Amino acid sequence: QSALTQPPSASGSPGQSVTISCTGTSSDVGGYNYVSWYQQHPGKAPKLMIYEVSKRPSGVPDRFSGSKSGNTASLTVSGLQAEDEADYYCSSYAGSNNRGYVFGTGTKVTVL
Amino acid sequence: QITLKESGPTLVKPTQTLTLTCTFSGFSLSTSGVGVGWIRQPPGKALEWLALIYWDDDKRYSPSLKSRLTITKDTSKNQVVLTMTNMDPVDTATYYCAHASGYGVYYYMDVWGKGTTVTVSS
Repeated sequence: QSALTQPPSASGSPGQSVTISCTGTSSDVGGYNYVSWYQQHPGKAPKLMIYEVSKRPSGVPDRFSGSKSGNTASLTVSGLQAEDEADYYCSSYAGSNNRGYVFGTGTKVTVL
Repeated sequence: QITLKESGPTLVKPTQTLTLTCTFSGFSLSTSGVGVGWIRQPPGKALEWLALIYWDDDKRYSPSLKSRLTITKDTSKNQVVLTMTNMDPVDTATYYCAHASGYGVYYYMDVWGKGTTVTVSS
């Protein structure tokens, strides 16, 4: 069961936008609209930012948005703020054939 | 308010069995659409999904670790237990449990515990 592929790093200046990609296969990202995104600050537990590709949990700023095209999902952070500097992980349902769920390789977002 | 807390040994020896307990509050694991998952993160590395138990006692495991994992729930105690057999130094990681919400087969982890660090060493 291979991890989803994310770029190791991304960066942007305050106020700018940054987009993180998450590439899988037709058996996970491409096969279902079941992609989640998590934010993790150093030494902290992950926090859910997006679920079902583009839905935001209560309390998550609308600066965070998600989308999907084919086998690639994306997370966009608009109006970057200092507190957005963190690691971001995507996750996808990987099918009912006992594959469960799979996480991405993670992306470190730096606010310049 | 949903909270979860992981507990278990901080140090285990190679070949031993690890038993972790997730004690939660603020929800019932007998409620439809609720689950509890386990995820781990080796130092400096990515998250890895391990297992998920659903409200109806259905269970899913990571294919690569399925032979070593068992997840169970005790609804009356508000606890979920994960056991992992034949521990190896590569299993050194922070282990998280998380509340999962969803429907059908799709659940997402929406509230996480703070994690517990497990080191495997002789």
